[in-house]
Amino acid sequence: GENVEQHPSTLSVQEGDSAVIKCTYSDSASNYFPWYKQELGKRPQLIIDIRSNVGEKKDQRIAVTLNKTAKHFSLHITETQPEDSAVYFCAASGLTRGGADGLTFGKGTHLIIQP
Amino acid sequence: DAGITQSPRYKITETGRQVTLMCHQTWSHSYMFWYRQDLGHGLRLIYYSAAADITDKGEVPDGYVVSRSKTENFPLTLESATRSQTSVYFCASSAGYGYTFGSGTRLTVV
Repeated sequence: GENVEQHPSTLSVQEGDSAVIKCTYSDSASNYFPWYKQELGKRPQLIIDIRSNVGEKKDQRIAVTLNKTAKHFSLHITETQPEDSAVYFCAASGLTRGGADGLTFGKGTHLIIQP
Repeated sequence: DAGITQSPRYKITETGRQVTLMCHQTWSHSYMFWYRQDLGHGLRLIYYSAAADITDKGEVPDGYVVSRSKTENFPLTLESATRSQTSVYFCASSAGYGYTFGSGTRLTVV
């Protein structure tokens, strides 16, 4: 089955700086890669996703890049703000209807924004 | 999102007891999922369902049972609870791409 590795487990950055979280996956058939943000005590929420036919996607301060050859994808957050502090999870899925048989998640990155 | 609700929010049960966690969604999404979240393990898939009366095992199904007689409901039953099943349980639904998670059930088995 799919295996998703996520690094780092904890990331501390100064407010206003950029943050990068990286994930690798094992199944070359995976074609859907979402990112979720989870604040303390709350549910995970989808913040951005990318499909395998796209190399990069942006949404305001958030971007995701995908390298299918190397089987890795990354989340980039620019101009970080205190409200970006949370745990971020990457995930991967291999069906054409992304995630229909269940996403495989990385173990999460605790992002800390230092004032 | 108000469209997917889990109950109860918190539950304490004793070892060996049967307990059922409820999940209800109002979007008529075809796909529903149960995950457990534990420190150091992230989110792990227990069971999923592609439609009413269609369910399948995920990564960690042992000790759990699911049913889906109606599209909107996907209950998760622990047949005989063990301490290792102490966790936060999240239900999610999807129409295809992108999951929406419920608020979670924090289950403690004593």
